[in-house]
Amino acid sequence: GQNIDQPTEMTATEGAIVQINCTYQTSGFNGLFWYQQHAGEAPTFLSYNVLDGLEEKGRFSSFLSRSKGYSYLLLKELQMKDSASYLCAFMDSNYQLIWGAGTKLIIKP
Amino acid sequence: IAGITQAPTSQILAAGRRMTLRCTQDMRHNAMYWYRQDLGLGLRLIHYSNTAGTTGKGEVPDGYSVSRANTDDFPLTLASAVPSQTSVYFCASSDGGGEYNEQFFGPGTRLTVL
Repeated sequence: GQNIDQPTEMTATEGAIVQINCTYQTSGFNGLFWYQQHAGEAPTFLSYNVLDGLEEKGRFSSFLSRSKGYSYLLLKELQMKDSASYLCAFMDSNYQLIWGAGTKLIIKP
Repeated sequence: IAGITQAPTSQILAAGRRMTLRCTQDMRHNAMYWYRQDLGLGLRLIHYSNTAGTTGKGEVPDGYSVSRANTDDFPLTLASAVPSQTSVYFCASSDGGGEYNEQFFGPGTRLTVL
């Protein structure tokens, strides 16, 4: 079967670094996506990984290990505006996205 | 129009009524999707369309139907609404139906079925 898991909620301090983990199981894999979703708004694309390793994009980085079924999103120099839910999703063998329930990130001053 | 628009923004509907949620994109994307988002659950795919004239069923298609008469529009119809269809509905589009395709989301429709 297919499943995907990420923590429900995390808290971090402004200016700090936080790592949000995502684990998945699937027989067919075509990449791992991270999206950001502010409360009451639509999800917006952050990153895509299809090969193992780290992809860096400004303050945000995403890592993938296909052999371990594991990804993480690393947010550096946290700002209050980073308070949001972060959605992990993998693309299955039918090129459909299977979504995690999202991790709500709370930033404290 | 820029991106994807959805209408209505929100709606309260009596059970048993028919309802169509509208979705329009101006990016000339081939693929379009309808998701529902419920608290504690991930986005779940209802129906999708890889190109105009074709549609497919997602994870939770029962009680919903779609059509794709042209590239821009992808309406979602609830033939006879039930309370379990209370949810936030997102329409999305992407440039392709396979491999890497970043999905762009509309602002969502909040639907309450009483």
